[in-house]
Amino acid sequence: DGGITQSPKYLFRKEGQNVTLSCEQNLNHDAMYWYRQDPGQGLRLIYYSQIVNDFQKGDIAEGYSVSREKKESFPLTVTSAQKNPTAFYLCASRINSNQPQHFGDGTRLSIL
Amino acid sequence: AQSVTQPDIHITVSEGASLELRCNYSYGATPYLFWYVQSPGQGLQLLLKYFSGDTLVQGIKGFEAEFKRSQSSFNLRKPSVHWSDAAEYFCAVVLNNAGNMLTFGGGTRLMVKP
Repeated sequence: DGGITQSPKYLFRKEGQNVTLSCEQNLNHDAMYWYRQDPGQGLRLIYYSQIVNDFQKGDIAEGYSVSREKKESFPLTVTSAQKNPTAFYLCASRINSNQPQHFGDGTRLSIL
Repeated sequence: AQSVTQPDIHITVSEGASLELRCNYSYGATPYLFWYVQSPGQGLQLLLKYFSGDTLVQGIKGFEAEFKRSQSSFNLRKPSVHWSDAAEYFCAVVLNNAGNMLTFGGGTRLMVKP
């Protein structure tokens, strides 16, 4: 089945450590997105990419980095510079501007 | 700045009762509008979308939404709620720029009483 796969489902980070969240899609979608969700809040955009080898910062990019070397993959690295990384992270993709975004099942990141 | 407001943070309804979740947006032109549902620990599932045309939109799971331009609203409705509808619901708007990014409301958590 086509879809978006996020891994791992749960992730723990030690202080000062970088961690990378995986997002893979086999939908042949051009655009991919990373969102952060905090309890009781809506989703906030971290980074997005419309094509391979290109990406832009969203509203809360500080402390995060991404890459888009392949169309199907858009990994997110939470760096040690992100002082409050505990959140639920959602990846999404979209085929074109007239279609809605499809979401993965998320990764919950916690601090040890 | 564009924004999406869901005035109700929590709503509780009895099973079998009707439901209306409110969504208002502030945007100069008619945006693309969406409703998503999120079960605990899961991603978001699209319920329905409005791009243009008929202002009453039918979605999955028996939901519908009505776009009212004069009120800048896109309220979600269901005539008879089932216990499995308990979840968090997000209204979202697409900003018509190059990124075509979604702006989300803060969400409404629906609880269903037996």
